[in-house]
Amino acid sequence: KQEVTQIPAALSVPEGENLVLNCSFTDSAIYNLQWFRQDPGKGLTSLLLIQSSQREQTSGRLNASLDKSSGRSTLYIAASQPGDSATYLCAVRLNTGNQFYFGTGTSLTVIP
Amino acid sequence: EAQVTQNPRYLITVTGKKLTVTCSQNMNHEYMSWYRQDPGLGLRQIYYSMNVEVTDKGDVPEGYKVSRKEKRNFPLILESPSPNQTSLYFCASGLAGFSGANVLTFGAGSRLTVL
Repeated sequence: KQEVTQIPAALSVPEGENLVLNCSFTDSAIYNLQWFRQDPGKGLTSLLLIQSSQREQTSGRLNASLDKSSGRSTLYIAASQPGDSATYLCAVRLNTGNQFYFGTGTSLTVIP
Repeated sequence: EAQVTQNPRYLITVTGKKLTVTCSQNMNHEYMSWYRQDPGLGLRQIYYSMNVEVTDKGDVPEGYKVSRKEKRNFPLILESPSPNQTSLYFCASGLAGFSGANVLTFGAGSRLTVL
């Protein structure tokens, strides 16, 4: 069974800093990996999706990378802002089946 | 606006009283799924559906039922709720198959408390 881990569980940084969130998974036979943002009391918003054949995806200040062989993905946030404060989750979908496996998330606080 | 709509958003009920949480999407997605989110455990998949009349168990299906009679709707049924089903529930939808970008779109969540 796929295990997805996100470390650290919580992170606090001052505004303006660049930061990296980590996601690791045990089964490298993935179809894609998706990064989500969750605000308190709200649903999940998709940020970036990386197909298994891709190494990275970029959207604005966000850059996600994927290294399938080592079972890792990172989400890089440049020039962090207080509005970036949220919980960030990664999810993987395997090549077989239709299940998505989620990490437990990293709670990010950006201090003004 | 493309969206997944869940109702109710908040519900307090008592043990054994049947309830249904509705989920509807307007994006003509084949794939729909239910998750529960609990502190320290992350999101766990309850059931999913690849299309009308096609449903399958996720990791934690015990105590839940689903049906997919129409493409847009995927209700979650708790026949006899118990306190361990107190949780935050999310419905999600997306394109099925293994082609294209299968981005999952989530509803806003339904917070259920079973006393």
